[in-house]
Amino acid sequence: GENVEQHPSTLSVQEGDSAVIKCTYSDSASNYFPWYKQELGKRPQLIIDIRSNVGEKKDQRIAVTLNKTAKHFSLHITETQPEDSAVYFCAASIRAGGTSYGKLTFGQGTILTVHP
Amino acid sequence: EAGVTQFPSHSVIEKGQTVTLRCDPISGHDNLYWYRRVMGKEIKFLLHFVKESKQDESGMPNNRFLAERTGGTYSTLKVQPAELEDSGVYFCASSQGLGGGAFFGQGTRLTVV
Repeated sequence: GENVEQHPSTLSVQEGDSAVIKCTYSDSASNYFPWYKQELGKRPQLIIDIRSNVGEKKDQRIAVTLNKTAKHFSLHITETQPEDSAVYFCAASIRAGGTSYGKLTFGQGTILTVHP
Repeated sequence: EAGVTQFPSHSVIEKGQTVTLRCDPISGHDNLYWYRRVMGKEIKFLLHFVKESKQDESGMPNNRFLAERTGGTYSTLKVQPAELEDSGVYFCASSQGLGGGAFFGQGTRLTVV
């Protein structure tokens, strides 16, 4: 089955710096890659996702890049703020034609701390 | 629009007892998923409903776990009898029919003592 590896497990940055979290996946059939942010005691929140037909997607200060050949994808956060501090999870999934996405396989999570 | 709702938020039970977790998905979402996060590890898939049918239950750990989604609306996940290793946070998520991202509930923290 699919296996997703996420690095680093912890990341500490100063406010205003950039943060990059990287994930690799094993199943070349995976074609959907969401990122979730989980603040302490709250639900995982979908912050951005990318499908395998594109290489990059941006939404304000966050961006995700995908390299299908190397089977890795990354989350980039620019101009970090203290409120970006949270646990970030990457995930991979497969959508067969005409059906909804199946199960998400998650990475181990990255604890991001942004120091004021 | 209400998000995914889970009940209870916390449950502490003794080994051997039964617990039932409930999930109310976002209205109109055909897909409902159960996940579990144990001891700070990664979030792991348990099963996937499409409406009332089980699409994929490959992540269910054993036959002590029973999930139902009668009528294709809310879902329950029963653990009977509970064991110590069942402790963790159980998440429910839902998504629309095609191509939609999955939205998570706040989770139920289950502690088996």
